[in-house]
Amino acid sequence: EVQVVQSGAQVKKSGESLKISCKGSGYIFTDYWIGWVRQMPGRGLEWMGIIYPGDSDTRYSPSFRGQVTISADKSISTAYLQWRSLKASDTAIYYCARRGGGGKVDYWGQGTLITVSS
Amino acid sequence: QSALTQPASVSGSLGQSITISCTGTSSDVGTYNYVSWYQQHPGKAPKLMIHDVTNRPSGVSNRFSGSKSGNTASLTISGLQAEDEADYYCNSYSSSATLDVFGTGTKVTVL
Repeated sequence: EVQVVQSGAQVKKSGESLKISCKGSGYIFTDYWIGWVRQMPGRGLEWMGIIYPGDSDTRYSPSFRGQVTISADKSISTAYLQWRSLKASDTAIYYCARRGGGGKVDYWGQGTLITVSS
Repeated sequence: QSALTQPASVSGSLGQSITISCTGTSSDVGTYNYVSWYQQHPGKAPKLMIHDVTNRPSGVSNRFSGSKSGNTASLTISGLQAEDEADYYCNSYSSSATLDVFGTGTKVTVL
């Protein structure tokens, strides 16, 4: 059974760093892109970036390039999203998801709520 | 990377059919058959409902169907049920953007 499981909710202060994780199981982790999607409170879905764990090819949305870093450790089938210095405006739910052929996102993590206080 | 345009809300009565539109451009919806639709209930992760414009994953009710004409893709929900009340998002590959593009989202209300 394919599963995508994310790390738990975090409460941080502005200026702190953070790295959240996303573990894939039940499929060949290196054969599929993993994407990160932001959902701010009461707002829609936004693509942040995607990574192909097979060769670590990473692509960012212009809105998020330089603001976050996406990485993956294929030895433990885990992708990561990290911030060097959080801002209050980073408060949101972050989803990771498996991106299959044709761009379909067929398996989603449960979401990680990040709350940043100023 | 501009979001695809969806109506903010659509409503229908139990048992009726509704259609949600998703308007893009010739750089995305109009040229590529890589449109997918997602259902999101409050507090839950999105769920894939339709991919490649018309294809339904196994386990998704056949009351959900997708289509495309020109730069606009559509999701139709027939025989509307209470559990269909949710937010719906389209997504498309875009040749003019680094990544795929989501739609603005549509809140479906079952009357």
